[in-house]
Amino acid sequence: AQSVAQPEDQVNVAEGNPLTVKCTYSVSGNPYLFWYVQYPNRGLQFLLKYITGDNLVKGSYGFEAEFNKSQTSFHLKKPSALVSDSALYFCAVSHFSGNTPLVFGKGTRLSVIA
Amino acid sequence: NAGVMQNPRHLVRRRGQEARLRCSPMKGHSHVYWYRQLPEEGLKFMVYLQKENIIDESGMPKERFSAEFPKEGPSILRIQQVVRGDSAAYFCASSGTSGEQFFGPGTRLTVL
Repeated sequence: AQSVAQPEDQVNVAEGNPLTVKCTYSVSGNPYLFWYVQYPNRGLQFLLKYITGDNLVKGSYGFEAEFNKSQTSFHLKKPSALVSDSALYFCAVSHFSGNTPLVFGKGTRLSVIA
Repeated sequence: NAGVMQNPRHLVRRRGQEARLRCSPMKGHSHVYWYRQLPEEGLKFMVYLQKENIIDESGMPKERFSAEFPKEGPSILRIQQVVRGDSAAYFCASSGTSGEQFFGPGTRLTVL
């Protein structure tokens, strides 16, 4: 069975500082990893994904994530946070790269303070 | 190209009534997924459908819940005899051949 852990319910960071939102996963076989962002009363927006290849994945809005197989982690990062990045971030995993349900973490609320 | 459409956006039902949630996938997408989000929690998979077929319903409660994706028209998630614990946001996602899921804005169900 697959699972995702987001150990932090809340992350606070000052505007302009780097941010990290943590995610660890458990999956049998090769993992396929995703980050989504959710703004209040909205659906989820895709940020980036890791399927194969380079461990550092670049996505939308300046976000990137680093796949670390030995630590089974896929942390989301951004060099310089913006107030508009404040939202709920979800990490998700599947065991297949095609059409298959995603398993989501509980989410991390990011608050960027001006 | 319109994104995934869900309606209604907000639905209020009294206990014992039926709730019907509709999802129109993106143009060209034939795969639909339904997820439920309880307050302060992540999304939980409910059911995965392809046109006219249920592929995986392992996350859907066996009673009162059903889903369909007919040849024509939107996918429907139906909840019969709703209870307060059904109050949640229900999200639909669709995908094409690449497998990447695009999410709708969700339907927020409130059961009084």
